[in-house]
Amino acid sequence: DTAVSQTPKYLVTQMGNDKSIKCEQNLGHDTMYWYKQDSKKFLKIMFSYNNKELIINETVPNRFSPKSPDKAHLNLHINSLELGDSAVYFCASSQGWQGSGNTIYFGEGSWLTVV
Amino acid sequence: SQQGEEDPQALSIQEGENATMNCSYKTSINNLQWYRQNSGRGLVHLILIRSNEREKHSGRLRVTLDTSKKSSSLLITASRAADTASYFCATVSSNTGKLIFGQGTTLQVKP
Repeated sequence: DTAVSQTPKYLVTQMGNDKSIKCEQNLGHDTMYWYKQDSKKFLKIMFSYNNKELIINETVPNRFSPKSPDKAHLNLHINSLELGDSAVYFCASSQGWQGSGNTIYFGEGSWLTVV
Repeated sequence: SQQGEEDPQALSIQEGENATMNCSYKTSINNLQWYRQNSGRGLVHLILIRSNEREKHSGRLRVTLDTSKKSSSLLITASRAADTASYFCATVSSNTGKLIFGQGTTLQVKP
């Protein structure tokens, strides 16, 4: 029973393309996140949604657009992909805000390679 | 900028030995959390320690927090090969309420 699932796991695409990563959680959580992990393993929050409402946008380029059709789903669409977008993207969820000490559950990651 | 900085960046020990990883941070925090990431996998929450706590245990894990030194340590006792992974500390800033991750310590436990 996968708690936070994201697809695809691996994605290789050319510069300039548009791609999407989908995420679903079956934990009944009200808050979902997208994190980016770079080649040096730095993990940084990109977006956070609470009950489908955007609550955090960490100065991410406009080419990145999250969409939350319902509180169990948070998809990430990326336009005009650049080489620097190559990274691992993690979806995560929690019941209540992360800062309140609520446990965050991570997906397995989506490895994006832009060539 | 990253809040937590782990030390060492890489650690290699023999099975059965203890592993100690340290984390330093810069601003005041509400709580500090430790996560494990196996190669090619997502992060898994290990333990949370609140700012008013000094020590916490969970199985073979022992976490300490010294808010005066703005530092924490994670001790894994009697390590096993399955403990091989990257370990990240993450702090919740008192100012922003956001969870910020450090760069992690890569632990290798040799059988």
